[in-house]
Amino acid sequence: DIQMTQSPSSLSASVGDRVTITCRASQGIRNDLGWYQQKPGKAPKRLIYAASSLQSGVPSRFSGSGSGTEFTLTISSLQPEDFATYFCLHHFSYPWTFGQGTKVEIK
Amino acid sequence: QVQLVDSGGGEAQPGRSLRLSCAASGFTFSSFGIHWVRQAPGKGLEWVAGVSYDGTNKYYADSVKGRFTISRDFSKNTVWLQMNSLRAEDTAVYYCARDDGYNYGFDYWGQGTLVTVSS
Repeated sequence: DIQMTQSPSSLSASVGDRVTITCRASQGIRNDLGWYQQKPGKAPKRLIYAASSLQSGVPSRFSGSGSGTEFTLTISSLQPEDFATYFCLHHFSYPWTFGQGTKVEIK
Repeated sequence: QVQLVDSGGGEAQPGRSLRLSCAASGFTFSSFGIHWVRQAPGKGLEWVAGVSYDGTNKYYADSVKGRFTISRDFSKNTVWLQMNSLRAEDTAVYYCARDDGYNYGFDYWGQGTLVTVSS
């Protein structure tokens, strides 16, 4: 099974900060990776698919990059509504697996 | 609009069974795979099971293989998750989610249904 290692597990940042979250796959997964945002008590919401494609309706301050084993989610200028937990998910082969999550908190 | 409504959660004793349902509407049900993802209290997300658009292929996480069964009913536009031999570690919010049809992951999610396994 492919393992996804996500870092950091949490971070504190201020409004306007640039934030970067990383996922590393235990083996190459091409670009078969998405990024999801989850707020407390709510279902996750997809932000990025195919590693770097922006989901329709998602603000352009979110971007994704990477291929193979290293992937990055970047929020260029953190907004108050972005404080949430973020997960990566690979769908290269079954079983699909999520990263452990990154909780973005207000500094 | 696309809608997934998951239901069927509740309390069960260890070793008992529950069946979750995911009612789909607003899209061509027979064109999309449907999956279940769970989240234990205060924990991360875990993919549990998935069924292909035509129902012929089914996939399971090792943690539920042999105990859970996913199926779909095209006449009811519903996906089921039959959960047998429940364990305390199956306690979680269970979400159904739609595979976007391009193998790019999940584009729509249900609201979640809570399963609690306790004696």
